[in-house]
Amino acid sequence: GNSVTQMEGPVTLSEEAFLTINCTYTATGYPSLFWYVQYPGEGLQLLLKATKADDKGSNKGFEATYRKETTSFHLEKGSVQVSDSAVYFCALKHNAGNMLTFGGGTRLMVKP
Amino acid sequence: DTEVTQTPKHLVMGMTNKKSLKCEQHMGHRAMYWYKQKAKKPPELMFVYSYEKLSINESVPSRFSPECPNSSLLNLHLHALQPEDSALYLCASSQELDIPNQPQHFGDGTRLSIL
Repeated sequence: GNSVTQMEGPVTLSEEAFLTINCTYTATGYPSLFWYVQYPGEGLQLLLKATKADDKGSNKGFEATYRKETTSFHLEKGSVQVSDSAVYFCALKHNAGNMLTFGGGTRLMVKP
Repeated sequence: DTEVTQTPKHLVMGMTNKKSLKCEQHMGHRAMYWYKQKAKKPPELMFVYSYEKLSINESVPSRFSPECPNSSLLNLHLHALQPEDSALYLCASSQELDIPNQPQHFGDGTRLSIL
């Protein structure tokens, strides 16, 4: 079946540091890949997505590239801010349906 | 601001109470979802509605009863819940169930506490 594996957190960074959160997946066929962000006390917000190999999703300074050869979709940001502190979920959706498979989530804490 | 609205934001209830969670979206989406999220865990799918008909029930106990009265509204009726049912309940919607590549849009959730 489908599965998503994320690096365990928490990830603690200083403001303006470079961020990488690793995400790898297992799926048959060609799934769509998503990053969702959950700020404290809120629901999930779609951060970015990629729907085919080599696509790069980007939003709010975050980006992730769909790498089929390594089955990865790592999230990166060049300079994090305190306001980026949140939990980040990597997820996939198989094109055969609309069910999301989530990774375990990675908590990011950014210190001033 | 989220386009999926959930009420109430917080709910405390006893194990013998009956309450309902509500979810509303006006994006014209025809697929709607209920998820349960425990602390420090990803959301777990409970129910899926497509065109106001129940499409998926992920073996959820009968003390949770979903209802989709129209294409914009989704309810979750609660009765005789257990303390382990305390969690954040998230509603989501998407354009249609089987359109590839369409993301789900989530509400901010109802934080439920069972006494």
